[in-house]
Amino acid sequence: AQKITQTQPGMFVQEKEAVTLDCTYDTSDQSYGLFWYKQPSSGEMIFLIYQGSYDEQNATEGRYSLNFQKARKSANLVISASQLGDSAMYFCAMREGYNAGGTSYGKLTFGQGTILTVHP
Amino acid sequence: EAGVTQSPTHLIKTRGQQATLRCSPISGHTSVYWYQQALGLGLQFLLWYDEGEERNRGNFPPRFSGRQFPNYSSELNVNALELEDSALYLCASSLAPPNEQYFGPGTRLTVT
Repeated sequence: AQKITQTQPGMFVQEKEAVTLDCTYDTSDQSYGLFWYKQPSSGEMIFLIYQGSYDEQNATEGRYSLNFQKARKSANLVISASQLGDSAMYFCAMREGYNAGGTSYGKLTFGQGTILTVHP
Repeated sequence: EAGVTQSPTHLIKTRGQQATLRCSPISGHTSVYWYQQALGLGLQFLLWYDEGEERNRGNFPPRFSGRQFPNYSSELNVNALELEDSALYLCASSLAPPNEQYFGPGTRLTVT
């Protein structure tokens, strides 16, 4: 079963409007982290925002906010006031907690991504 | 502050050859991660090194290997290259987990 699901292969938004990119996840860990990355056509992955499973407040970083609904296992990214430079692929990722031996898994598991296109 | 750097930017090899990809982490970061981004397969975790040791490995055959040097830079080696190894290989670094990972620009490997 997929651990990270991004159901929107592509999204379109008008410049200056807000857009929500969906992400649902599946884990049995109590301790985990959720990340969003942006990948422009150049290929580099740019870290946007992080939400820890124990964080009570939704994370915000400038125009980015993460709508974290733990019971629904969703971690949607909200981009406010879209800009043309926001056009890119967006990935949701999860870092699960620790194994039985107490060692962090370290790795990130990524969703399939959503291509966001911002129209002028 | 310099970000994660990777070299080379592009690498073209023929089937059966070996490829070596290099990564320098952000100063102060001790963990280095390698991911493969192949067309249609998304981003797949390859390897995680921390303090010179391999800490975790993804579901890849043993011909994918690597190491981390005392200065925390890392090398990814792919032996006996196959056509399906053609992909963008991304390196990331972090302070020890569970901190966020910062990615380099990637090495695009093409196997012909």
